[in-house]
Amino acid sequence: GENVEQHPSTLSVQEGDSAVIKCTYSDSASNYFPWYKQELGKRPQLIIDIRSNVGEKKDQRIAVTLNKTAKHFSLHITETQPEDSAVYFCAAINPNTGNQFYFGTGTSLTVIP
Amino acid sequence: EAQVTQNPRYLITVTGKKLTVTCSQNMNHEYMSWYRQDPGLGLRQIYYSMNVEVTDKGDVPEGYKVSRKEKRNFPLILESPSPNQTSLYFCASRRGRAGSYNEQFFGPGTRLTVL
Repeated sequence: GENVEQHPSTLSVQEGDSAVIKCTYSDSASNYFPWYKQELGKRPQLIIDIRSNVGEKKDQRIAVTLNKTAKHFSLHITETQPEDSAVYFCAAINPNTGNQFYFGTGTSLTVIP
Repeated sequence: EAQVTQNPRYLITVTGKKLTVTCSQNMNHEYMSWYRQDPGLGLRQIYYSMNVEVTDKGDVPEGYKVSRKEKRNFPLILESPSPNQTSLYFCASRRGRAGSYNEQFFGPGTRLTVL
């Protein structure tokens, strides 16, 4: 199967600073990499995703980069705000295993006002 | 409103007492899945289904059963629950088949405690 590792497990930043969360995956066949945000007591929700034929994708203050050679991808949040505080999960999808979603263990981000 | 629903939202039960957690989606999605979420372990897939009458094991299927008799429903069955199945469970669905990359929508979660 696929093994997705996510770092750091916790991250605290000052409001207005940037936050970066990194994930690595093991199977080069994985080709879709979504990021989910889970606020306290709520369900995970997709915030951005990237496919293996793209190196970077941006959506306002968030961006995702993918390095296929190194098998790692990262979430970048700029100008962080208190409402960005949440747990973030990365995932990798491998078409060779029935499109199973393999999630990282999560990063708890705290934005300090 | 397009959504994934789960019931019950909270459940406290005892070891060995069979239970079912229901999941339903109204988006006509082919793909449905069950996850459990435990502190420090993230979301782990239990079972998934690519379409009606098609189910497959995820990473942690032991102690669980599922069925997919209708496209909209995907119940999770614990025949003989044990304390190590105490967890937060999420059902999810998305459009499409193998090779497609569509947003996965999660249900609100079911917090299960097995005493």
